[in-house]
Formats: sequence, structure tokens, C-alpha cells
Amino acid sequence: SQTIHQWPATLVQPVGSPLSLECTVEGTSNPNLYWYRQAAGRGLQLLFYSVGIGQISSEVPQNLSASRPQDRQFILSSKKLLLSDSGFYLCAWSVPRVNTEAFFGQGTRLTVV
Amino acid sequence: EDKVVQSPLSLVVHEGDTVTLNCSYEVTNFRSLLWYKQEKKAPTFLFMLTSSGIEKKSGRLSSILDKKELFSILNITATQTGDSAVYLCAVDQGAQKLVFGQGTRLTINP
Repeated sequence: SQTIHQWPATLVQPVGSPLSLECTVEGTSNPNLYWYRQAAGRGLQLLFYSVGIGQISSEVPQNLSASRPQDRQFILSSKKLLLSDSGFYLCAWSVPRVNTEAFFGQGTRLTVV
Repeated sequence: EDKVVQSPLSLVVHEGDTVTLNCSYEVTNFRSLLWYKQEKKAPTFLFMLTSSGIEKKSGRLSSILDKKELFSILNITATQTGDSAVYLCAVDQGAQKLVFGQGTRLTINP
């Protein structure tokens, strides 16, 4: 069966420091991969999605970047964190097929101080 | 601008009550509408709806879509404390790029 791993679970980082959040999927090949952010009391906002290695689409302008160095690995990064980057970050995957659901990781709660 | 709006934002009921959660949408591309339950961290998938008028059912939960009026409802009957969660509605615009509503925080009191 497929599983998705996301780490770390929580992170406190100072303003201006770099960021690297990692997500890996097991049990499937060539998944679509996604990074979402959830602000407190809000729904999820899609930040990036990827349909293959090295293929990244950004949905909103921001201070973050994403990379997909391997088929089942998705990384969210920043060179210098801002206070506004605080939030709950969720990685998700889906089968690249029409009308199928996305499956979410456990999330990383990032607090920038 | 694409948007998904859920109502109410918050709901508190007693165990055993029936609740109806609402989701309306305005999007440029529609492939499907999905409902998720988020208890602590990862949202877990409940239903995917693609056609109007066809009810999806799983135990005490059911959902239906109206593509003409652009909304969906999620019903939970005989609620239990374990149903307490944030319920998220999302529209798939293609390739599972989901536009989410704000969520409804449901609290079931014993």
C-alpha cells in the first residue's frame, strides 16, 4: 500500500534562516506531488505541484521554492524565512489520473520567530 | 477568482443530532468536488463527487452535488463525539489541483 512521509512534524526557525521540508511517497510510481499551506483557521492553499522529476509549477508568488530531485521525493525550501511563512505545511500525492483523490501527509507546523 | 465557500464556519451540536454542512463554489474548471475530514493533522478523504444528484454514502455520512446550483452538502446523522473535526470541501480543477474552502469546525458535545 502507498504511504506518504513528511518531516519534521514541528519546526521553529528564526527570521532569515533557511528552510527545508521533505516529503517522500512509498508504494507508487510517478505520482503527482503537491505542497499546500494552511494558515490558522483557514483552508488549504496550493503552493506547488509536480507531475514529474524536475517539473515544478508554482501556484502563488511567494518566498518559497520546491524541488523534485527523485520520482517520489518533494522538497519545500526557502533561503530566508519571513514571519509570514509561519503555518501548517502539508504534502500530498495523487495518482496521475482524472477524477481521483489526493492523499495527505501528517504536515509540518512551522513557526518563524 | 476561483473560490470555494463553506458554511457554517463553526457548528456545535449534541451527540445524536444530525448536521448538514454546506459548500458552494465558483471555479473556472470543475472536475470533481471532494470532502475531507481533518482531525489533528492530515486531512483524510471522505467523498468525491462528479455528477449531480447522485448521493454518495458511507455509514452515517452522505454527500450530494448540484452542478447547476454549484453546491454540495455533507450530512452526518446520529453524530458521535468522534465526528468532531474540521470538514474541508475542495474542488479539483484538474490534475488534483485542489481549491479548498475555509472548512467547517464541527464540535459534538456528549
